[in-house]
Order: sequence, then C-alpha cells, then structure tokens
Amino acid sequence: DADVTQTPRNRITKTGKRIMLECSQTKGHDRMYWYRQDPGLGLRLIYYSFDVKDINKGEISDGYSVSRQAQAKFSLSLESAIPNQTALYFCATSDNRDRAGDTQYFGPGTRLTVL
Amino acid sequence: RKEVEQDPGPFNVPEGATVAFNCTYSNSASQSFFWYRQDCRKEPKLLMSVYSSGNEDGRFTAQLNRASQYISLLIRDSKLSDSATYLCVVENQGGKLIFGQGTELSVKP
Repeated sequence: DADVTQTPRNRITKTGKRIMLECSQTKGHDRMYWYRQDPGLGLRLIYYSFDVKDINKGEISDGYSVSRQAQAKFSLSLESAIPNQTALYFCATSDNRDRAGDTQYFGPGTRLTVL
Repeated sequence: RKEVEQDPGPFNVPEGATVAFNCTYSNSASQSFFWYRQDCRKEPKLLMSVYSSGNEDGRFTAQLNRASQYISLLIRDSKLSDSATYLCVVENQGGKLIFGQGTELSVKP
C-alpha cells in the first residue's frame, strides 16, 4: 500500500463550487504539505503543517484553506473554485529527522480541472 | 528573479551520453539541497541529497558550491529509463522546500 494517498485522483468541477482534496499518510510523519504544480512553474507551496495544531501559509495560499484533522490527515479546500486553480495538486510529508535535511515524500497527485 | 533557477530544457541526448544539469539559488542561508526526479504525470521522488563535499550514487554525481550558490547533477552513461524531469530543490529556514521549475531530459536510442 502507498505511504501517502490522495483522494480524489481526478476531479472536474465548475466555477464557484467548493472542493475538498484529502491526503492521508501511514509514514508517521509530523510534517505535511500541499503543493500545486503548473506547467513551467514547478511546485509551489500552498499550506504546510508541522504538527496537528500547526497551520502555516505557503507561497500561494489565497483561495485555499486547510485542515489538519489528525497526524495522518491533511485536507485542502477550495472554498469557491475558479478556473486558474486548475492544476496538479500534491500532498507531501516529512519528519525532518533525515540527516541530509527535510526529505519529502509525495502522494500520487490530484488532477483538478475547474470549468 | 526566481529563488531557484534551472537550465531550461528539454535536453535530448543519445543513450550512453553524459549530461549535466545546473541550478542556482538566491538565498545564501539555504540549508539543504536535493535533486528530485519526476516522471511524466507522476509524483516527484528524491533522487539524491547534495552535500558540500559532493556525492556520487552510481552513475549520478551531485555537486554543491555554496560560495557561488550553485548545484549540479551529472548523469553518466545515460539510459532510456533516465528520461524524466529533474527538479533542483533547496531547503530554507523553517524546513520549507523551494523547487526549481525542472529540466526535462529525453534519452533516445
């Protein structure tokens, strides 16, 4: 079984709809992240959480919110989806105990299309 | 200026070729450095960490020059299976990773 899972894997929705993307991990890591990836722009950090009571904005948090329901679960919400939120969304985890630094482990991604 | 910049791609090389990717970063306080690999429509996966002394993993060699704020990845004896996008990644204070836009490599028979 995958260590980091995301649901749904693909979603098509309409402008103005509320969407929730979910992420679960079995790695026992404290740190979780949400990124979006757009062609030519690389991955950009939306929100991150270093433990259950910790939520931090990333580079592009406007239009998004998150909830860290438990150590293993971190969900991303688009309150009112708009077309420029069409992207590939990745969840990631880390424990920052790797000697080399904060190695992150990614889920398989959610492809979101907003019409 | 982007915080992490990589060579524009794509790189198209024949099997067996040696190929080098370069990356520069702007934050001199950056703490850790990585190369990730991303296959088409898949999640990024760690390829290797980059140490100040340089490090090698089989056909892959990574180098870091802190003074010049420059990171490189060398792939020797390219295989078809090396075709992917290679992401230069820098960890800044607070454990946040900054990703370059990636360089696409295509290895041809």
